[in-house]
Amino acid sequence: QKEVEQDPGPLSVPEGAIVSLNCTYSNSAFQYFMWYRQYSRKGPELLMYTYSSGNKEDGRFTAQVDKSSKYISLFIRDSQPSDLATYLCAMSGNQFYFGTGTSLTVIP
Amino acid sequence: DAGITQSPRHKVTETGTPVTLRCHQTENHRYMYWYRQDPGHGLRLIHYSYGVKDTDKGEVSDGYSVSRSKTEDFLLTLESATSSQTSVYFCAISEEPPGLADYNEQFFGPGTRLTVL
Repeated sequence: QKEVEQDPGPLSVPEGAIVSLNCTYSNSAFQYFMWYRQYSRKGPELLMYTYSSGNKEDGRFTAQVDKSSKYISLFIRDSQPSDLATYLCAMSGNQFYFGTGTSLTVIP
Repeated sequence: DAGITQSPRHKVTETGTPVTLRCHQTENHRYMYWYRQDPGHGLRLIHYSYGVKDTDKGEVSDGYSVSRSKTEDFLLTLESATSSQTSVYFCAISEEPPGLADYNEQFFGPGTRLTVL
């Protein structure tokens, strides 16, 4: 079983829609949960991180962690064509564990 | 952008040839990592370093070796490249190691796209 599972998509939504990206994980010891954004042919860059359970908001982005379900989410409000990217979830254990990434396209 | 550069950015080589990829950082971070990224697999750790001359294996280390003779440079070598090593390779750095008790951000380089024919 993989440490982190993420639906690879691709996900295509109309401009202005709310996007929901999700990951599940198996290790209940994980405490730090990250979301990276990766533009085409670029390296991943940190978008948001959260500690333990709860929500964290930053502009149009909200990260949510439900440790009881071992489930994390990233919500993007008012999605824009410029949100075109692959979004990777990640967790910190004895190493960094990454999901496979979800490819997102926002259609004008 | 964090000060991480990778060279070369693109390389095409033939099966059986040795290949060395270089990662250079200007952040003076102690920890450096090599990942490969493939469709359906995401980022997989190849090797990492926790200091000069201190390295260890990751999840997919077979066929790869690394060296770190200076804080700022971390080299990844494919001793005899195979087609299964065609991938995009990312270097990453962090100030502290990953752990359960502390948050540490990884910064990624721009990647090297390697094709083995």
